[in-house]
Amino acid sequence: RKEVEQDPGPFNVPEGATVAFNCTYSNSASQSFFWYRQDCRKEPKLLMSVYSSGNEDGRFTAQLNRASQYISLLIRDSKLSDSATYLCVVNVDYKLSFGAGTTVTVRA
Amino acid sequence: DADVTQTPRNRITKTGKRIMLECSQTKGHDRMYWYRQDPGLGLRLIYYSFDVKDINKGEISDGYSVSRQAQAKFSLSLESAIPNQTALYFCATSDTGTSGTYNEQFFGPGTRLTVL
Repeated sequence: RKEVEQDPGPFNVPEGATVAFNCTYSNSASQSFFWYRQDCRKEPKLLMSVYSSGNEDGRFTAQLNRASQYISLLIRDSKLSDSATYLCVVNVDYKLSFGAGTTVTVRA
Repeated sequence: DADVTQTPRNRITKTGKRIMLECSQTKGHDRMYWYRQDPGLGLRLIYYSFDVKDINKGEISDGYSVSRQAQAKFSLSLESAIPNQTALYFCATSDTGTSGTYNEQFFGPGTRLTVL
């Protein structure tokens, strides 16, 4: 079983739409959680950390449910520039485990 | 200039050849990591180093070795390359974290390796 599992998508949405997706993780000892963004074949970059209380960063909202071991990301008012692969990432003892990514394509 | 650089950016080689991928960083971070990315599998950790004298195996270290020549340099070697090592390789760095905290990992631009 993979440590971090994500729906690969793709999610194809029009500009201005809201898109949301989840990931699940298997290690209950996971200490911290993140969403990274990866543009086509480029390096991943941190989008945002995910906290138990939920957190927002502009149009992006992340949620963590430790009891069910899942993490979510919601993007409001989608922009063309949001088209990317979103990687769910879990930290255990300073080592990161990555999901395979969820691809989002925003169309005009 | 980029904070984390990788050389070469692209490499095509033949089965059985020895290959070295190099990573340099100017961020002053102690921790460095090597990952490979394959379609549908996400990034997988090959080796990591928390300081110059520290080397640790990751999830998929077989067939690879590393050298931490200095705080700023971390090299990955494939002693005898095989086709299933064809992948996109990323180096990453992070700052030293205190217990229970996390520090963002910063990635290099990647090396696309093809083994024929």
